[in-house]
Amino acid sequence: GENVEQHPSTLSVQEGDSAVIKCTYSDSASNYFPWYKQELGKGPQLIIDIRSNVGEKKDQRIAVTLNKTAKHFSLHITETQPEDSAVYFCAPLNSGNTPLVFGKGTRLSVIA
Amino acid sequence: DTAVSQTPKYLVTQMGNDKSIKCEQNLGHDTMYWYKQDSKKFLKIMFSYNNKELIINETVPNRFSPKSPDKAHLNLHINSLELGDSAVYFCASSLDWNYGYTFGSGTRLTVV
Repeated sequence: GENVEQHPSTLSVQEGDSAVIKCTYSDSASNYFPWYKQELGKGPQLIIDIRSNVGEKKDQRIAVTLNKTAKHFSLHITETQPEDSAVYFCAPLNSGNTPLVFGKGTRLSVIA
Repeated sequence: DTAVSQTPKYLVTQMGNDKSIKCEQNLGHDTMYWYKQDSKKFLKIMFSYNNKELIINETVPNRFSPKSPDKAHLNLHINSLELGDSAVYFCASSLDWNYGYTFGSGTRLTVV
């Protein structure tokens, strides 16, 4: 099965700075790469995803980059704001009928 | 309209009891899931189900059983509750296996 590692496990940044979270996976057949954000007391919410035929995708202040050769993908948040504070999860997936295997999460704190 | 709704939001019960958590989605999705989130925020898949197959995580005790009366519902039934079952349980749904998930807001189960 998929082995997923996220780094760092915690990250503190000043408001306005950038944050980068990296996700490493083991299954070379993985072809779908989402990132989820979980705020306190809520369920995880999909914030951005990318498929293996694309190297980068951007949505306003959030971007995901994919390196299939090295088997990792990263979440980039620019101009961070206090409301970006949350736990972020990656969950790479292959095309088989299998559920998402989540990384252990990264707790991001944006300090005003 | 809530896309994925779970009830109850909180559940406190004694060891040995049997309880159910209900989940309904109004998104027209074909695939539904149950995840368990422990105190360290690790999200672990318990069950995945669509109209064709049920995938059970082999580490889940058989005291846990999913019940799907129709495509829009996947309820979780737990027999003989144990202290270690205390966690937050999330229901989710997706269009198909390799599409983004929509999560419910979670059910916090406390076994005393």
